[in-house]
Amino acid sequence: DADVTQTPRNRITKTGKRIMLECSQTKGHDRMYWYRQDPGLGLRLIYYSFDVKDINKGEISDGYSVSRQAQAKFSLSLESAIPNQTALYFCATSDLGDEQFFGPGTRLTVL
Amino acid sequence: GQNIDQPTEMTATEGAIVQINCTYQTSGFNGLFWYQQHAGEAPTFLSYNVLDGLEEKGRFSSFLSRSKGYSYLLLKELQMKDSASYLCAASSGTYKYIFGTGTRLKVLA
Repeated sequence: DADVTQTPRNRITKTGKRIMLECSQTKGHDRMYWYRQDPGLGLRLIYYSFDVKDINKGEISDGYSVSRQAQAKFSLSLESAIPNQTALYFCATSDLGDEQFFGPGTRLTVL
Repeated sequence: GQNIDQPTEMTATEGAIVQINCTYQTSGFNGLFWYQQHAGEAPTFLSYNVLDGLEEKGRFSSFLSRSKGYSYLLLKELQMKDSASYLCAASSGTYKYIFGTGTRLKVLA
């Protein structure tokens, strides 16, 4: 089984809808991250969490919120989706200072 | 400010050697990562440099110069499966990761 899983893998939604993307990991890492990837812009950090009680904004947090339900679970919500939030979203985990392990990604399309 | 630069695209021939450069500017620098990402897939870890010098791992090597804010990834004996994007990422401060936009490598037969 994969160490980092994301659901759903693909989602098409309409402007104004609330969307939740979920991430689970079995690596036992405290640190979890949400990124979005757009063509030509690379990976951009949305939110990150260094443990269950720690949530931090990344460089592009506007329009997003997160919840760290447990060490293994980190969810990303779009309260009211808009078309420019169409992107590929990745969840990642890491141990202190080590490489990140990425989930398979969620391809989100907002119409 | 914090910034990472790498070329957008490179092309090389199967069996050749290619060097992908990365320059970075970031406060509280800890180390430099390289990831490989095939189209539509997740990035996967290739290498991590903390100290100056060359780290070799099979066909892939990575170099770091902290004083120059410079790193490169060297791929030898290129194979078609090496066609992918290569992401440079700096770890800084309390271990946040800042990614470059990636270099798309095309390997031609």
